[in-house]
Amino acid sequence: QKEVEQNSGPLSVPEGAIASLNCTYSDRVSQSFFWYRQYSGKSPELIMSIYSNGDKEDGRFTAQLNKASQYVSLLIRDSQPSDSATYLCAVYTGGFKTIFGAGTRLFVKA
Amino acid sequence: GAVVSQHPSRVICKSGTSVKIECRSLDFQATTMFWYRQFPKQSLMLMATSNEGSKATYEQGVEKDKFLINHASLTLSTLTVTSAHPEDSSFYICSARDEGSAVETQYFGPGTRLLVL
Repeated sequence: QKEVEQNSGPLSVPEGAIASLNCTYSDRVSQSFFWYRQYSGKSPELIMSIYSNGDKEDGRFTAQLNKASQYVSLLIRDSQPSDSATYLCAVYTGGFKTIFGAGTRLFVKA
Repeated sequence: GAVVSQHPSRVICKSGTSVKIECRSLDFQATTMFWYRQFPKQSLMLMATSNEGSKATYEQGVEKDKFLINHASLTLSTLTVTSAHPEDSSFYICSARDEGSAVETQYFGPGTRLLVL
């Protein structure tokens, strides 16, 4: 059974802090990894993708991938109240499907 | 990024009627599209995978005769909820895979909120 696990949260951080979101996956042949942000009542929006071990930075977001340990994380620097949302980790292992985690709810307190 | 549209964004219908939801990839071709359902405060639930030119693949527990999927072109998939009932009220979201890109990335439509009275 291919699985993607996330802590459901809520994760609460003060404004300006670093938010760290983690995800583990079970299928070692996973190829591509994605982070989506979903605001309440809205559909998911792609914010980051990563394919190689190491860090990938895009503005305030940094995705980290460690294939040996089978985990991927998302760091949000200088967190803002507007970052409050549910963050979905997604893993593509080939074939037709991308497997989504259940999401971590993030609250950034002003 | 690639753009996926959905229509309608919101629909209210009477119990027993059918509702059709359209999903379009606007600036890319998508051999594969996906239909999800999400109830309030719950996770995305994959309903089916829609394949252009062939039958959709339904997830376990999803009634294929109730949720009809048609993927007639590389830019359009439709989901028809037949004989809708109040328990079908939910947020329906489609996504499309941009297979022309280097990586198999899924982009989501804005969703359709269905309310069955």
